[in-house]
Amino acid sequence: QSVLTQPPSVSGAPGQRVTISCTGSSSNIGAGYDVHWYQQLPGTAPKLLIYGNTNRPSGVPDRFSGSKSGTSASLAITGLQAEDEADYYCQSYDSSLSGVFGTGTKVTVL
Amino acid sequence: QVQLVQSGAEVKKPGSSVKVSCRASGGTFSSYAISWVRQAPGQGLEWMGRIIPMLGIAEDAQKFQGRVTITADKSTSTAYMELSNLRFEDTAVYYCARDQDCSGGSCYSDYWGQGTLVTVPS
Repeated sequence: QSVLTQPPSVSGAPGQRVTISCTGSSSNIGAGYDVHWYQQLPGTAPKLLIYGNTNRPSGVPDRFSGSKSGTSASLAITGLQAEDEADYYCQSYDSSLSGVFGTGTKVTVL
Repeated sequence: QVQLVQSGAEVKKPGSSVKVSCRASGGTFSSYAISWVRQAPGQGLEWMGRIIPMLGIAEDAQKFQGRVTITADKSTSTAYMELSNLRFEDTAVYYCARDQDCSGGSCYSDYWGQGTLVTVPS
C-alpha cells in the first residue's frame, strides 16, 4: 500500500483539461521532498514527465504541467490528446520508507 | 545516448533467488545512482532500492530489507539486483533506472531499462 494516493482513474474528451492529484503526508511531500511524475504506456517502461515538482524534461510537451502545495501535488494535462491515454505515477521520498511511488492513475480519452 | 539493457526473463521456483543485471552504456556509469523498481501484473510501480556505483553504497526499501541485494560493477558498468526467498507475489517486471538528480531530497529517473519479467509459479 503506497503512502502517496492518486485517483484510480480520470477521463476527459479530446481538448479538455484533466488533473491528477497525488496526496501524501508530513513525512513525504509535506516534508518538502520534490515530486516527480511519470507516464507509462501499456507494455513499456515509465517515462519521466515532470521532475522537481514543476520542470519538464526536453521533449515533453508544455501541455503537461506540475504543481505542489502542502502535502499534495498535481499533474495537469491541457488540450488532452488520444496519445495521452496511459497510466501516470507520482514519485517522492518518505522519511520512513525511502523512495515511494503513487498508487497510479489511468487516464482515458473519451 | 544513454541505454540501460537488462538481462532476460526468468522463471524461478519458490524459495530460490534471482539476479537481474542492468548494463549501462552511453554515459558515465559511476556518476549516477541506479534504482530498481518492480511492477506486478496489473499493479503499480514499487521502488525497491538504489545503489551509487561510485561509492558502492546501497539503500533498500524497508519492505525488501533482508531479501534484496543491490550491487554494481564499475568495470563493466553493470548494476545487479538479487532477490532471495522468492514467492509467488514476487512475480513482476523488474526495471532498473538511472537516477538523474536527488538535489530535491527525492531522486528522479531519466533513463529506464526495458524491464525483466521474473515469474515465480505458485
